[in-house]
Amino acid sequence: SQTIHQWPATLVQPVGSPLSLECTVEGTSNPNLYWYRQAAGRGLQLLFYSVGIGQISSEVPQNLSASRPQDRQFILSSKKLLLSDSGFYLCAWSDQGNGELFFGEGSRLTVL
Amino acid sequence: RKEVEQDPGPFNVPEGATVAFNCTYSNSASQSFFWYRQDCRKEPKLLMSVYSSGNEDGRFTAQLNRASQYISLLIRDSKLSDSATYLCVVNGAGGFKTIFGAGTRLFVKA
Repeated sequence: SQTIHQWPATLVQPVGSPLSLECTVEGTSNPNLYWYRQAAGRGLQLLFYSVGIGQISSEVPQNLSASRPQDRQFILSSKKLLLSDSGFYLCAWSDQGNGELFFGEGSRLTVL
Repeated sequence: RKEVEQDPGPFNVPEGATVAFNCTYSNSASQSFFWYRQDCRKEPKLLMSVYSSGNEDGRFTAQLNRASQYISLLIRDSKLSDSATYLCVVNGAGGFKTIFGAGTRLFVKA
């Protein structure tokens, strides 16, 4: 069966510090991978999606970046965090052509 | 205009009530449609897919109207455990660029 795991689950970071969130998927090959952000009391905002290794599409201009160094690994990064980067970050995967998304447990980021 | 728009909520209903959520989408080329449920401070989880012919899963019924670009979710005989945020989800061909609505909060009270 397929599983998705992301970490860390919770982190508190000062403004201007770097960020790295990691997500891995097991039990499937060549999945679509996604990073979403959900601000408190708000909907999910699509940040990045990837249809293959090294292929990243950015939906929102910001100080975040994403990378996909391996087929089932997706990383979200920032060189310098802003207060507005606080939120609940969710990694997800889907089969090619299906569309149903499966989410990781989420990473709750607080920038102080 | 947002790509996916939902009733703002919150909906406060008593146990046993029937409640309906609506959702509209702007991209007529959208291919797949879903309702997800999200509990407080948790990740979203698939509730059901939505098909043009309409589909039912127990107390839940989902319908899609492609001509009007409209999706609905009906919950019958509401339970306390139905309290959550319900997300309308739309994506294009190939499963790329899945877009979520802002969600509708439901509170079911005894």
